[in-house]
Amino acid sequence: NAGVTQTPKFRILKIGQSMTLQCTQDMNHNYMYWYRQDPGMGLKLIYYSVGAGITDKGEVPNGYNVSRSTTEDFPLRLELAAPSQTSVYFCASGRDLSETQYFGPGTRLLVL
Amino acid sequence: AQSVTQLGSHVSVSEGALVLLRCNYSSSVPPYLFWYVQYPNQGLQLLLKYTSAATLVKGINGFEAEFKKSETSFHLTKPSAHMSDAAEYFCAVSLGGSNYKLTFGKGTLLTVNP
Repeated sequence: NAGVTQTPKFRILKIGQSMTLQCTQDMNHNYMYWYRQDPGMGLKLIYYSVGAGITDKGEVPNGYNVSRSTTEDFPLRLELAAPSQTSVYFCASGRDLSETQYFGPGTRLLVL
Repeated sequence: AQSVTQLGSHVSVSEGALVLLRCNYSSSVPPYLFWYVQYPNQGLQLLLKYTSAATLVKGINGFEAEFKKSETSFHLTKPSAHMSDAAEYFCAVSLGGSNYKLTFGKGTLLTVNP
């Protein structure tokens, strides 16, 4: 049971480039989330999904897009990378309404 | 709407000393409350959670937290710090029900000195 996996672990992007951060969970969780973590700021919710085909915006969605075609996968897309998107990105999933979330190991992104 | 305030961005204790990490919340309805721990270069993992059952919640690694409605607090404690407890700790709140989104505090970095 791998839990939540994220790829890549680290990436450097140039301004204006695009990329997709991958997230996969093998726990059959309906709920999945993308957060970004910046130093001293805690975690901010970017997008979330309550099931395949259903996504919604979180606190800081600008500059990002998501899709949820399967229960297992929840990729995060950056279309035009900006320095403000330099951050550590965490994917998480959850099973039930008690909201315990299980986190992946994170993707560290540097935009130069 | 809900919010979380963690008092103290950095707490330093000696090995064997009491650990106290403070968390206050704001919520319009009875909340669900969580403490997560993040070790260096890792994701977050759940320490403990309060979901309206017992007000004193015991978690992993000897940590516990007490829900105090009158004080809107959910402070995290451990009687005796260990070097392996050095990490960043996040308090989080959710309103539950159809509102399944977590709101995180800014985190408290715990340093344990030998």
